[in-house]
Amino acid sequence: NAGVTQTPKFQVLKTGQSMTLQCAQDMNHEYMSWYRQDPGMGLRLIHYSVGAGITDQGEVPNGYNVSRSTTEDFPLRLLSAAPSQTSVYFCASSNTGTPDTFGSGTRLTVV
Amino acid sequence: EDKVVQSPLSLVVHEGDTVTLNCSYEVTNFRSLLWYKQEKKAPTFLFMLTSSGIEKKSGRLSSILDKKELFSILNITATQTGDSAVYLCAVPRSGGSNYKLTFGKGTLLTVNP
Repeated sequence: NAGVTQTPKFQVLKTGQSMTLQCAQDMNHEYMSWYRQDPGMGLRLIHYSVGAGITDQGEVPNGYNVSRSTTEDFPLRLLSAAPSQTSVYFCASSNTGTPDTFGSGTRLTVV
Repeated sequence: EDKVVQSPLSLVVHEGDTVTLNCSYEVTNFRSLLWYKQEKKAPTFLFMLTSSGIEKKSGRLSSILDKKELFSILNITATQTGDSAVYLCAVPRSGGSNYKLTFGKGTLLTVNP
């Protein structure tokens, strides 16, 4: 049982490039979410999903897109990377709405 | 605006010590308070508290909520080096669902042998 799997673990992008952070879970959880973690800021919610085909914005959605075509996958797309998006990104899932299983994170640097 | 404040921001103790971590919150329509432990990578869920005065316990860790005074504490007894981590506190945001959490900045606990 892999839990929540995030790829890649590390990524360096140039300003203006786009990329997709992958998140997959094998626990049949309905709820999935993306957080970013910056030094001194705590975790902040970017986007979340309550089930396949349903997504909504969190606290800091600008510059990011999501889709949820299957229960298992919840990719996060950076449309045009900016240095302000340098952060550690965590994907989380649960069946109760409260995130209880996190992926190991993706460390993104935008230069 | 929702607010979650954790204290202290960092703490260094010796193995065997007992520590108390604090989390105070300001949120309308309080529903629950959550504690997570974050070692080098992903946060792991510890406790969810919804009722005042009822202690949640897991091994050497315990937590209690005071809804009147708007705070929670996380106690760790007989600390071990493996307890070294950042401990995060979070509450569901006002007007949001349980998955829209406001997190505190965390307490960095270092347990020295």
